[in-house]
Order: sequence, then structure tokens, then C-alpha cells
Amino acid sequence: QKEVEQDPGPLSVPEGAIVSLNCTYSNSAFQYFMWYRQYSRKGPELLMYTYSSGNKEDGRFTAQVDKSSKYISLFIRDSQPSDSATYLCAMKDNYGQNFVFGPGTRLSVLP
Amino acid sequence: DAGVTQSPTHLIKTRGQQVTLRCSPKSGHDTVSWYQQALGQGPQFIFQYYEEEERQRGNFPDRFSGHQFPNYSSELNVNALLLGDSALYLCASSSRQLAGQQYFGPGTRLTVT
Repeated sequence: QKEVEQDPGPLSVPEGAIVSLNCTYSNSAFQYFMWYRQYSRKGPELLMYTYSSGNKEDGRFTAQVDKSSKYISLFIRDSQPSDSATYLCAMKDNYGQNFVFGPGTRLSVLP
Repeated sequence: DAGVTQSPTHLIKTRGQQVTLRCSPKSGHDTVSWYQQALGQGPQFIFQYYEEEERQRGNFPDRFSGHQFPNYSSELNVNALLLGDSALYLCASSSRQLAGQQYFGPGTRLTVT
């Protein structure tokens, strides 16, 4: 079992839909949780950052962390064609310096 | 405010050769991490530099080495290139005091033929 699992997609939705992206993980020591957006042939762009459990909202994006279930989610409201990209979750514990990434979910928002 | 910059953008090398990739961190950041991203995969951690020392290393062979300079910029060196080293190499910078927030550069795409 990989340390971080993520549905690779591709996921196709119509413009305006609510998108739910998810990651599960096995290491209960993870405390920092990030979501990145990566356009084709570009570097990942930090979207959301959460420490420990709870929800965080930023514009159309909401990140949720459920540490009891080892499950994190990113919700995108009113999705736009410009949201079409690969979404990567990443996480780390309090002691190590390396982030562990999921394989990414490819999202297509159709006009 | 310039973000993380990397050079070169693309590179083509032959098996057995050596390569050096460069990274300048975001202003105010003192920590640089390097990742390898194969096509269709998430980034894999290579190592991290802080205060000019390698602080942590992922599961990569000694052919991968690095350096951090006093101005916090960093280099990644790969010796004896293999075909499997073809990937996007990403540099990420962060501040030691803000451990969770890591920002990536655009990457260097390395092709080994």
C-alpha cells in the first residue's frame, strides 16, 4: 500500500459543477496537508495549506482534513475551464522535512 | 517579488553523462528541496538543504548530490545518467519557520537518450 493514495482520474465535469478531490493516507503522524495545482509541463502551484484537522476556505476552494479517517478533500465550487489541471495532495509530519505526494488527479472542466 | 526560479528549462543528455541543475529560492526563504517527477506521477523527494547542509534525503542513490550556497541558491548534480533519470526536476523553497508552506519552481525537464 502506498503512503498516499489518490484517484488518478481523469475526472471530467461541466463548467459550474462542484468538484470533490480526495486523498487517503496511511501515516498517522502526518500533520501538514497541502493541495497543489499543476498545469501541463509546469511546476506545482500551492493552493491550500492546512495544519492538523479541520476546514479551510479560500475563495472557491475548501480544504478538509479528517485525521481520524486519514482522509483529506479539496472542494472546488463553480468550477471553471481554467481549473483544468492535475491536483496533487501532499503531506508531512512534524519532524521530517520531506513532503509525500499523491500521484495526482487529472481534472477537466468542460465549457 | 520573484518566485522560485530554475535553470535551464530543458536539457538533453546522453547516458553516462553528468548534469547540473540550478535553483534560486523565493525571497525570504532559506530552505531548498529537490524533487523528481516522472510523467503521470507525483513528485518524489530527493533531498533538502538548509544552512548549506543536506538535512534529509529520500530514496535516491549517491549519483544524486547537491549543494546550497550562502545566498540560499542550490544545485542538483546527477552523475552517470541513466535513461530512467528522464523526468521533470522540481525545486521547492520554504522558510524553516513556516514548515508547511513550500513553493515550487517551474522545473527543469531532463531527457536522457
